[in-house]
Amino acid sequence: EVQVEESGGGLVQPGGSLRLSCSASGLTFSNYAFHWVRQAPGKGLEFVSAITSPGISTYYADSVKGRFTISRDNSRNTLYLQMSSLRAEDTAVYYCVKDIGGPFPSVLDHWGQGNLVTVSS
Amino acid sequence: EIVMTQSPVTLSVSPGERATLSCRASQSVSTNLAWYRQKAGQAPRLLIYGAVTRATGVPARFSGGGSGTEFTLTISSLQSEDFAVYYCQHYNNWPPYTFGQGTKLEIK
Repeated sequence: EVQVEESGGGLVQPGGSLRLSCSASGLTFSNYAFHWVRQAPGKGLEFVSAITSPGISTYYADSVKGRFTISRDNSRNTLYLQMSSLRAEDTAVYYCVKDIGGPFPSVLDHWGQGNLVTVSS
Repeated sequence: EIVMTQSPVTLSVSPGERATLSCRASQSVSTNLAWYRQKAGQAPRLLIYGAVTRATGVPARFSGGGSGTEFTLTISSLQSEDFAVYYCQHYNNWPPYTFGQGTKLEIK
């Protein structure tokens, strides 16, 4: 069974940095693209970032471009999201999501339980 | 950016009855459309992709339809676990892919 689990969230001050991690089991990690999707309190879902299976190509929402960096370590079966210059509007539950598979990231197949990031002074 | 619009915002249906949810794209997304269900306090779950294909383990009471700009998700006989929020998502010519604002399916 595929399991995805995020860690590293918490409270951070505006302008601060935080790194989210995501571990996945029950699959050959290196074969799949992964995504980060967020959900602000009481709001809908928003694409944040995605990375292809070998990690060569990365994609970002305009709202986080230049501030967030997605990366992966296939030897550790781990995905990362380095977040810097954080703003109040980045406050959200961040989901790590496995892609369904294929040459290009597309469908969000298995979701982690989510990790809350709160940006506040 | 492609805008996804779901309707209605809230749908009230009795258990055992049929529910039909709609999703419209601001431009054609072909059949690059997925549906997700999010129960209260939980992560979303993939239901449908490719507009019509049920994901692994999804019950047959869920069916998807449409192409281009108009899509539907039909739940043939509502069970208690189906009362939740549903999101559509396109994955055509992205980034970014975008989600609809959600339809809340509530018990009548």
